[in-house]
Amino acid sequence: DTAVSQTPKYLVTQMGNDKSIKCEQNLGHDTMYWYKQDSKKFLKIMFSYNNKELIINETVPNRFSPKSPDKAHLNLHINSLELGDSAVYFCASSQSLGPSYEQYFGPGTRLTVT
Amino acid sequence: QKEVEQDPGPLSVPEGAIVSLNCTYSNSAFQYFMWYRQYSRKGPELLMYTYSSGNKEDGRFTAQVDKSSKYISLFIRDSQPSDSATYLCAMAGFYGQNFVFGPGTRLSVLP
Repeated sequence: DTAVSQTPKYLVTQMGNDKSIKCEQNLGHDTMYWYKQDSKKFLKIMFSYNNKELIINETVPNRFSPKSPDKAHLNLHINSLELGDSAVYFCASSQSLGPSYEQYFGPGTRLTVT
Repeated sequence: QKEVEQDPGPLSVPEGAIVSLNCTYSNSAFQYFMWYRQYSRKGPELLMYTYSSGNKEDGRFTAQVDKSSKYISLFIRDSQPSDSATYLCAMAGFYGQNFVFGPGTRLSVLP
């Protein structure tokens, strides 16, 4: 059974489009995250979401918005896509918020903006 | 100075070698230190986790934290080809603030 799953695995789209990436975890965790890994492999946290509390990395443009329909899902919606948004986006989850809780990562969504 | 620095590699070693991977950091507020392993085209997975200074051993892996020098290390004994991956250090403050990953070191263990 896949613990953290993401769809789609690959996404190719044009500048200016709006797209969504879906994430689901079946671990019963309370906290979910979105990360961006750029071409230089830097992995940066974008959002963490715990019990309906959203913590935003202030460097993330407001074109990015996470949406959580329930505790098991945290989707990422991106408006007006730009070339610089091309990256691999990872969803993760942990039992609770805090560095002592292991984060389990999904397989990633490779986004290419042309 | 970047908050967390790590030699990007690639680091190539023969099978059976002892591997030393390192990170330096600048934020003295970091209290939690982690090592993640990321295989190509996969998500990272947690290898080791340490709180504050000291050593921690798990099988062939040993993590060391020296807060006075702001330096952390991961040692891999008897390295195997299956250890070939990118190793990312990560760290956070006591309440989980400023969670940050290093850029990763790519390791190749040659059979």
